[in-house]
Amino acid sequence: DAGVTQSPTHLIKTRGQQVTLRCSPKSGHDTVSWYQQALGQGPQFIFQYYEEEERQRGNFPDRFSGHQFPNYSSELNVNALLLGDSALYLCASSLTGVGLGLNNEQFFGPGTRLTVL
Amino acid sequence: AQSVTQLGSHVSVSEGALVLLRCNYSSSVPPYLFWYVQYPNQGLQLLLKYTSAATLVKGINGFEAEFKKSETSFHLTKPSAHMSDAAEYFCAVSRTGYSSASKIIFGSGTRLSIRP
Repeated sequence: DAGVTQSPTHLIKTRGQQVTLRCSPKSGHDTVSWYQQALGQGPQFIFQYYEEEERQRGNFPDRFSGHQFPNYSSELNVNALLLGDSALYLCASSLTGVGLGLNNEQFFGPGTRLTVL
Repeated sequence: AQSVTQLGSHVSVSEGALVLLRCNYSSSVPPYLFWYVQYPNQGLQLLLKYTSAATLVKGINGFEAEFKKSETSFHLTKPSAHMSDAAEYFCAVSRTGYSSASKIIFGSGTRLSIRP
């Protein structure tokens, strides 16, 4: 089991550009959550995707959007990049199901380090 | 609303000494609580989680945490620090009562350094 994988590992963009980050969930998982971790801070929840729809969203502007594919993999898109978007972007996968309770732990990937110049 | 506060952004202990990382939470509903560890240039690894089954939770690498509702605390401890414990530690909270994994709210982190 490869666990949660993310690509690319590192990315450098300039202000105003657009970026797409990718995430493949752990085998058997159907739910993907994205988090932004700025330098020296804890991760902040961006949004969560399940059944190809955005299910929950944190306090992030519409410049941040996402997508989930039928194979459960997911993309995070950020438009009109700002310097403040420089961060480590973490993807976490889990399994949604009635009656699972909290045996639906989120497993985190290694992250994509985005630098905006 | 839910939140966590980690007391101390940096903790330094000697190898073999007790590790104590402090976390207080705020939640309007019974919470699930977590401790994660992050090594340099890596993602997050779950150390342990509280899901109301037992107030003393044992995790990986010899860590444990105790849920104290009266103090709204969930402090992380390890009896004897090892050099390999040097990392960033995050306390986190999420909601209960959902069939799906709810969003996790993280604290700002505590960097643990180990002195030889």
